[in-house]
Amino acid sequence: GIQVEQSPPDLILQEGANSTLRCNFSDSVNNLQWFHQNPWGQLINLFYIPSGTKQNGRLSATTVATERYSLLYISSSQTTDSGVYFCAVSGNTPLVFGKGTRLSVIA
Amino acid sequence: NAGVMQNPRHLVRRRGQEARLRCSPMKGHSHVYWYRQLPEEGLKFMVYLQKENIIDESGMPKERFSAEFPKEGPSILRIQQVVRGDSAAYFCASSPTGWNIQYFGAGTRLSVL
Repeated sequence: GIQVEQSPPDLILQEGANSTLRCNFSDSVNNLQWFHQNPWGQLINLFYIPSGTKQNGRLSATTVATERYSLLYISSSQTTDSGVYFCAVSGNTPLVFGKGTRLSVIA
Repeated sequence: NAGVMQNPRHLVRRRGQEARLRCSPMKGHSHVYWYRQLPEEGLKFMVYLQKENIIDESGMPKERFSAEFPKEGPSILRIQQVVRGDSAAYFCASSPTGWNIQYFGAGTRLSVL
């Protein structure tokens, strides 16, 4: 099955800093989603991005399907950005989640 | 425009009891997926259902676990004779078509004493 690797596993940022999270996957996909799991455990949809680039406020994402990776950019980070960021992919199969990047933003 | 609704949010059971988790998909969605998240881990797929049919149950444990999505009413994930290892967060997602963008509920956190 599809393998998903996320890096880095942990990240600590000062408030206001920028960061890039990476998601590598092992096979072609037709669904790629980024999620934020907040400290209360809720899973928030960030992007549905099987290819191309999207932006939503301080967040943006790029997926290069031919090279099998996706990047999530967080600019001007805030303490409310803390939590775990998951990438999940599928190719007409169940969504396979990476192990996540745990982000801590400190004031 | 309600999202995916899961209840209860928290469920405590003693070993050997049954747990029933409910999921109402977003309006207009007929595809439902269940995932389990063990502590400090990512989500793992369990089962995919479309109204009255199980499409893919490749992630379901062979014993004690079952799922249904009846013609009327929510999808139910049922765990019989719970054990401590069943303690986890169970998430439900729905989509308008199969294997498309999935929208997740807030999850049910099951604690087995």
